[in-house]
Order: sequence, then structure tokens, then C-alpha cells
Amino acid sequence: GIQVEQSPPDLILQEGANSTLRCNFSDSVNNLQWFHQNPWGQLINLFYIPSGTKQNGRLSATTVATERYSLLYISSSQTTDSGVYFCAVNTGGFKTIFGAGTRLFVKA
Amino acid sequence: DAGITQSPRHKVTETGTPVTLRCHQTENHRYMYWYRQDPGHGLRLIHYSYGVKDTDKGEVSDGYSVSRSKTEDFLLTLESATSSQTSVYFCAISAQGENTEAFFGQGTRLTVV
Repeated sequence: GIQVEQSPPDLILQEGANSTLRCNFSDSVNNLQWFHQNPWGQLINLFYIPSGTKQNGRLSATTVATERYSLLYISSSQTTDSGVYFCAVNTGGFKTIFGAGTRLFVKA
Repeated sequence: DAGITQSPRHKVTETGTPVTLRCHQTENHRYMYWYRQDPGHGLRLIHYSYGVKDTDKGEVSDGYSVSRSKTEDFLLTLESATSSQTSVYFCAISAQGENTEAFFGQGTRLTVV
């Protein structure tokens, strides 16, 4: 089956810093989503981005489907950005496969 | 926020007892999913449904069954709970399956003692 790898696994930032999270996948995908799981466990949709670039405030994402990767950019990080960021892909058959996540901690 | 309600939110049960978790949606989405989340494994698909009474297995379906008698409700049953089923369970919905965005419920924390 498809492999989804996220890097880095852990990231510690000072408030105000920028960061890039990466998601590599081993096969063609029908769609790709980025989620933020906050410290209370809630999964929040960030981007639905099978290809191209999207921006939402301080966050943006780019997926290059032909090269099988996606990037999530966080600019001017805030303590509320802390949590785990998941990449999830769908290859057909109504099944979504999640990466292991990047755990982010933003220090005040 | 997508209208997804999971119940109960927390449950402690004894080994060997049956347990049913409920997912209720108000979005009239066709597709519903049950995942479990465990440390070191991320989220893994247990079962999914592509319509009323239409369900299929995911990657970790052993020990679980599901039912969907109405569009809005998707039930997950642990037939005889084991300690290895201690986990956080998430329900998700999507409108058209593979090519549309999925939305998640708040999660149910289940502890099997």
C-alpha cells in the first residue's frame, strides 16, 4: 500500500519563527489534506489540496502531485500553533491514509 | 464546523464486555468512517460506509463490527472488548468519498480495563 512519510517528526520553535513541514507519498493520490490536532485532541481541517497552492492567513500549503510531496508552511508561529500536524492522502476506494504526524511545540 | 457528534466522549469498560460507539451527522454525507488513534501509529481506518447498509473493512477491522441503518448514524461495536482496543476513536464523514474533503468528530476516548 501507499506509504506516507512526514518530516520532521518533532519541531520546537520560538514564537514568531517560520517553519516548513513536509509530506512525501509513494504513489499517486486522488486527494490530500492537512490537519492540525490541537492539544485537546480535536482534528482541525487546514487544507484540502490535491495539487497547487493555497493560503489561509499565516498558513499555506503546496502539493506537487507529479513529484509526490506536499509542504505546509507556518509563518510567524504562535503558541496556539502547537500540536500535531497530519498529512492524509486518498488513493481511491474511499480510504484515507494518514502519516505519522509532525509534533510542533511553539515556545513563548 | 461539520455537524458530527460522537457519543459517548469517554468510556471505561471491562475486558470481555461489548461496547458500542455512535457517530451522528447532520450533513447528509454519504460516506462515514471509523478510525482509531494510537501513539506511534497515527490514525488507522477500522471500517467505512459508502451508504446505508453498505460497509467495508479498513486496515484494522479485527474485533470490530459496524452498522449503518440510517444515513446519519454509523455505529462501531467492539464485540468483546480487549485491552488492545484502548484507544481514541474518531468518526469522519465526506460527501463524495475519495475526491472530497473529510471532516472529523471530536473523538471518543475508550479505556478497556
